[in-house]
Amino acid sequence: EPEVTQTPSHQVTQMGQEVILRCVPISNHLYFYWYRQILGQKVEFLVSFYNNEISEKSEIFDDQFSVERPDGSNFTLKIRSTKLEDSAMYFCASRPTPVTSTDTQYFGPGTRLTVL
Amino acid sequence: GNSVTQMEGPVTLSEEAFLTINCTYTATGYPSLFWYVQYPGEGLQLLLKATKADDKGSNKGFEATYRKETTSFHLEKGSVQVSDSAVYFCALRGRGTSYGKLTFGQGTILTVHP
Repeated sequence: EPEVTQTPSHQVTQMGQEVILRCVPISNHLYFYWYRQILGQKVEFLVSFYNNEISEKSEIFDDQFSVERPDGSNFTLKIRSTKLEDSAMYFCASRPTPVTSTDTQYFGPGTRLTVL
Repeated sequence: GNSVTQMEGPVTLSEEAFLTINCTYTATGYPSLFWYVQYPGEGLQLLLKATKADDKGSNKGFEATYRKETTSFHLEKGSVQVSDSAVYFCALRGRGTSYGKLTFGQGTILTVHP
């Protein structure tokens, strides 16, 4: 069964450093998402991406964050200058085209980001 | 805005016990409702869903009924197994959210002992 993959599984970085989290969505999906979960808190929506542009973003997704689909398979989340409060589990998700009329989002296993 | 509230965890049960995890929501209109499960070391997997009032979602012995009058979507299973130990997330997708943003509850950790 196709699945969403994410790398790395765990990323440790120093405060102020840039990090790039990588995701490979399911190959025929066109909608992509990033969510995060700070330890002990809710899973929060960050951003959705469709047709090579951001379609929706949350208040969390400020100028320090950016997303990109650099080629036909990868979907990345970049944090330009990490803060301690960016430490969280980051989940990538993808969703089929509306032709299939399904609401299901398929999630990756997550990348745990630790900012020191 | 939209919000989801789940019962406090963790929940610890013996094998074959009955499971209920409460979930209530606040949303405008008629959202779609979901339960996701996260097994250790894995991503969030869709467990079941319901897209309109009185719908019942079911999968792997789990059930949840979309109750508009009580704005609830409680997860139930008649007889849990050790393999059901995981984190369970209730979520909604609001109407008119054409790009599919999900709003999650805080998750409930379930541990089932033999």
